[in-house]
Amino acid sequence: ETGVTQSPTHLIKTRGQQVTLRCSSQSGHNTVSWYQQALGQGPQFIFQYYREEENGRGNFPPRFSGLQFPNYSSELNVNALELDDSALYLCASSLGRGRSGTDTQYFGPGTRLTVL
Amino acid sequence: DAKTTQPNSMESNEEEPVHLPCNHSTISGTDYIHWYRQLPSQGPEYVIHGLTSNVNNRMASLAIAEDRKSSTLILHRATLRDAAVYYCILRAVRGTSYGKLTFGQGTILTVHP
Repeated sequence: ETGVTQSPTHLIKTRGQQVTLRCSSQSGHNTVSWYQQALGQGPQFIFQYYREEENGRGNFPPRFSGLQFPNYSSELNVNALELDDSALYLCASSLGRGRSGTDTQYFGPGTRLTVL
Repeated sequence: DAKTTQPNSMESNEEEPVHLPCNHSTISGTDYIHWYRQLPSQGPEYVIHGLTSNVNNRMASLAIAEDRKSSTLILHRATLRDAAVYYCILRAVRGTSYGKLTFGQGTILTVHP
């Protein structure tokens, strides 16, 4: 069983640029969630995709967008990068959209984004 | 989301038990209590969850107060590999259509050899 993988591991961009981060979910999982973790803070929920549709979003501006593909892998896109976007971006996969309260999320190792 | 309160940091010695407390006085009757931990340079990792009864698994035990306003994660014999940030999270069921995790600051656990 393959776990959650993310690419790239590290990325450096300049302010105003656009970035795409990728995530492959654990085998059999149909839900992907993305989180942003600033240094020294807990992860903050960005959005969740269930069967290729966004079904939940946190307090992030529209320049944060995503996609989920038929194989349930996912992308996070961030436009017009700002310095405060520098963070660890985490992807988590799970089975089911999360209504039961008991589902477990499996996290990848994250992508470290630095915006200069 | 209901709020959780955890100590900023705790210390333990290797092979001793560790009790990590979490207060959640505004918990609703349908909120599940989840614990995740994040080892250095890794993504968070699921540890355990429960609703009302105490729970055990291979990683830890979860003791839930009778009024559910607090809970304690118990590591029975701490190892150096248990050094991590531990997050206590309430998973709302009612009134939500998706399963986001709301992380707080967590407790930094240091394990001394």
